[in-house]
Amino acid sequence: DAGVIQSPRHEVTEMGQEVTLRCKPISGHNSLFWYRQTMMRGLELLIYFNNNVPIDDSGMPEDRFSAKMPNASFSTLKIQPSEPRDSAVYFCASSPSGTGGGNQPQHFGDGTRLSIL
Amino acid sequence: AQKVTQAQTEISVVEKEDVTLDCVYETRDTTYYLFWYKQPPSGELVFLIRRNSFDEQNEISGRYSWNFQKSTSSFNFTITASQVVDSAVYFCALSEAGYGSEKLVFGKGTKLTVNP
Repeated sequence: DAGVIQSPRHEVTEMGQEVTLRCKPISGHNSLFWYRQTMMRGLELLIYFNNNVPIDDSGMPEDRFSAKMPNASFSTLKIQPSEPRDSAVYFCASSPSGTGGGNQPQHFGDGTRLSIL
Repeated sequence: AQKVTQAQTEISVVEKEDVTLDCVYETRDTTYYLFWYKQPPSGELVFLIRRNSFDEQNEISGRYSWNFQKSTSSFNFTITASQVVDSAVYFCALSEAGYGSEKLVFGKGTKLTVNP
């Protein structure tokens, strides 16, 4: 079975450019999560969706970040304009949860390593 | 608020040694879930185990075992007879019950190096 698929795997771009990260969750999973991993802050949740609806976006750093989930099989995380401090590894995860809260394990994609010059 | 503390930043052992990774958590909920994930040098995050707050039974899976103690808010992970392939960063994480509480709160991770 296919796992969570993220693209691109690596992205290098210049400050001020728009960056779009993509995620395809595991089929049948109705919760999708975006996490960011940095040396300073570790792994932190940016936003998560349940049944395509944003539930908690309290981790989104600022208005430069936006996320969408137009359907059950696709989500994007966009940064516009990008800044060097956005450099990090961005993970997408999905789980088959919903009514039981956080009781299901989240399955992670391989991540997107983003470098903003 | 939820918090997960992994006090050991780095651990280095020699192959075949046993090693225990510590995890202490904080939550106000009576129902919650604890997880361990492994991040090998290749960078992906691999799910290892989930425990719910009502199940304090220890669990063993091959060389891996987990000790959950509510009285001390700890969920420790032991690798028996460690191998070089166990070298990775290990993360402990917590989530709470209830709709809207699905996010994982991670500890900072413990980097384990197993030397031959």
